[in-house]
Amino acid sequence: GQQVKQSSPSLTVQEGGISILNCDYENDMFDYFAWYKKYPDNSPTLLISVRSNVDKREDGRLTVFLNKSGKHFSLHITASQPEDTAVYLCAAGMNQGGSAKLIFGEGTKLTVSS
Amino acid sequence: EAAVTQSPRSKVAVTGGKVTLSCHQTNNHDYMYWYRQDTGHGLRLIHYSYVADSTEKGDIPDGYKASRPSQENFSLILELASLSQTAVYFCASSLGTGGSAETLYFGSGTRLTVL
Repeated sequence: GQQVKQSSPSLTVQEGGISILNCDYENDMFDYFAWYKKYPDNSPTLLISVRSNVDKREDGRLTVFLNKSGKHFSLHITASQPEDTAVYLCAAGMNQGGSAKLIFGEGTKLTVSS
Repeated sequence: EAAVTQSPRSKVAVTGGKVTLSCHQTNNHDYMYWYRQDTGHGLRLIHYSYVADSTEKGDIPDGYKASRPSQENFSLILELASLSQTAVYFCASSLGTGGSAETLYFGSGTRLTVL
């Protein structure tokens, strides 16, 4: 089964609004959680990550919330802008063999309309 | 300037043929990965490596081999290409563990079409 799942394949938000992207995971051993952003025909790039010892991390307009008991984490983008339009991939992993081998979700396509 | 370079950018292969996808990184990273992207599946890990001359199976290794002849180079080999292997393939590297060391740096991807 899918260990990391993004239940919403797409999301549309008005410019200036808050985009909320959600991710659920199955393995409670995961201790590293990340969000990657991918433009069409481009490679994914890391947006923000968090370890399991915190439940929130902010970076500018981005905030990651981690709910370990619910096996859920989310990305909030405030003041959403048209250039935020992209596919967002959540990922989770655990320290295994010296590397956090990441499992990715299916992706959510965010469209910010002006 | 690109730190992870994949070749070719795109390829058309025939069913049953052999395909080799190459990846070169200049990040001085120990870890390298091969992922495939399919619609509705996100990125799935095929093989990875944390040291030269050694590879590990990922989540979907069947039908693929990997080779890591040096720290900089990591290849993905399809000995007998099949239609189901049509996908976009991404190579990535990372430093290892601990904070930002786990960040994956991806190449531009290889679009493989098997006919």
